[in-house]
Amino acid sequence: TQLLEQSPQFLSIQEGENLTVYCNSSSVFSSLQWYRQEPGEGPVLLVTVVTGGEVKKLKRLTFQFGDARKDSSLHITAAQPGDTGLYLCAGPGGTSYGKLTFGQGTILTVHP
Amino acid sequence: IAGITQAPTSQILAAGRRMTLRCTQDMRHNAMYWYRQDLGLGLRLIHYSNTAGTTGKGEVPDGYSVSRANTDDFPLTLASAVPSQTSVYFCASRLAGGHTQYFGPGTRLTVL
Repeated sequence: TQLLEQSPQFLSIQEGENLTVYCNSSSVFSSLQWYRQEPGEGPVLLVTVVTGGEVKKLKRLTFQFGDARKDSSLHITAAQPGDTGLYLCAGPGGTSYGKLTFGQGTILTVHP
Repeated sequence: IAGITQAPTSQILAAGRRMTLRCTQDMRHNAMYWYRQDLGLGLRLIHYSNTAGTTGKGEVPDGYSVSRANTDDFPLTLASAVPSQTSVYFCASRLAGGHTQYFGPGTRLTVL
């Protein structure tokens, strides 16, 4: 089973600060996804990265896939209270197409 | 279009009782999944179905069963609930060939 380790598990910052969340594995992944989950709701896909070294931007969020495709990072610039939520990385898991393995998640709280 | 609906929203259940969590999608997605979410453990796959009529075991299948009689519905049954099955349960679906999983709003289950 391919494992994904996220860090930090908890992050509490002030509005306007920058932050980075990491997703690491000892295994190579063909792609990695980042999901965001708000309280009382299911996760929603933010981005999929598929190429080693790939960088994708979504407004103030920057996602990077490591060159060796074993790790990924999510960087948020000038965080806002609306960024508060649980961030999950996920990668293909198992032999059945479409199955995902999730990291433990990072709970982000942005204080006004 | 509702997407994915789950019922009930929450439930308190006595240990030993049988319980079925319902999941229905109206997107005609081929694949469906059941996850449980526990703090610090992320989302763990319980069972999955790649297409109607087929099911498979995920990471934590013990104590759970599923059926996929048609494309839209994917119920999860706890035959005899135990306190360790207290969790938030999410159903998800994916279109064949796609990478994105779409999640329902979740069912919060407490087993006493």
